Amino acid sequence: DAGVIQSPRHEVTEMGQEVTLRCKPISGHDYLFWYRQTMMRGLELLIYFNNNVPIDDSGMPEDRFSAKMPNASFSTLKIQPSEPRDSAVYFCASSLDAYEQYFGPGTRLTVT
Amino acid sequence: QKEVEQNSGPLSVPEGAIASLNCTYSDRGSQSFFWYRQYSGKSPELIMSIYSNGDKEDGRFTAQLNKASQYVSLLIRDSQPSDSATYLCAVNSPISGNTPLVFGKGTRLSVIA
Repeated sequence: DAGVIQSPRHEVTEMGQEVTLRCKPISGHDYLFWYRQTMMRGLELLIYFNNNVPIDDSGMPEDRFSAKMPNASFSTLKIQPSEPRDSAVYFCASSLDAYEQYFGPGTRLTVT
Repeated sequence: QKEVEQNSGPLSVPEGAIASLNCTYSDRGSQSFFWYRQYSGKSPELIMSIYSNGDKEDGRFTAQLNKASQYVSLLIRDSQPSDSATYLCAVNSPISGNTPLVFGKGTRLSVIA
């Protein structure tokens, strides 16, 4: 299996622009997670899905963030409008059982 | 109180020595424990899981769990410079609501050749 796939790997955008991050989980994994990692706050869970249904989005910072999972092989995380404080590495992870999680390579987002 | 705590390091050990990484957690209901390795600029990689008290060995890695004392550790024998990375402890935490895993902030390990 190719593992978790994320795109783009790097994104540089200006404040106020819309950003869309994409993730393809490992085939057969029922759980998909979106994390954000910064030096200050470490790895933070933003939202996770089970069988394409959002289970917990309490980690989503504010209404500017939204996530969807239209099918078992694709998810998006959207930030609109983006702000400089959103600059971070965003990871997608997938899992069979919600615990043993396998991470994608991440998207490094820079908002200027 | 932080739910999963790790010493941020850096922990420096000479090549060939044993590196000992520690993690404490606050939720007594936790049942699943994981160690992830994260190289600089890369994503976390699952390297060990442990569910029962005691030791679990996998090659040069040994995970140790003590639920009574609420700590989990990772030992790396014969440390190599390629082991230099940040090691994240992750614990399932029922009191954290719907969050399946809570991650510590990681310990940075540096193996000196």
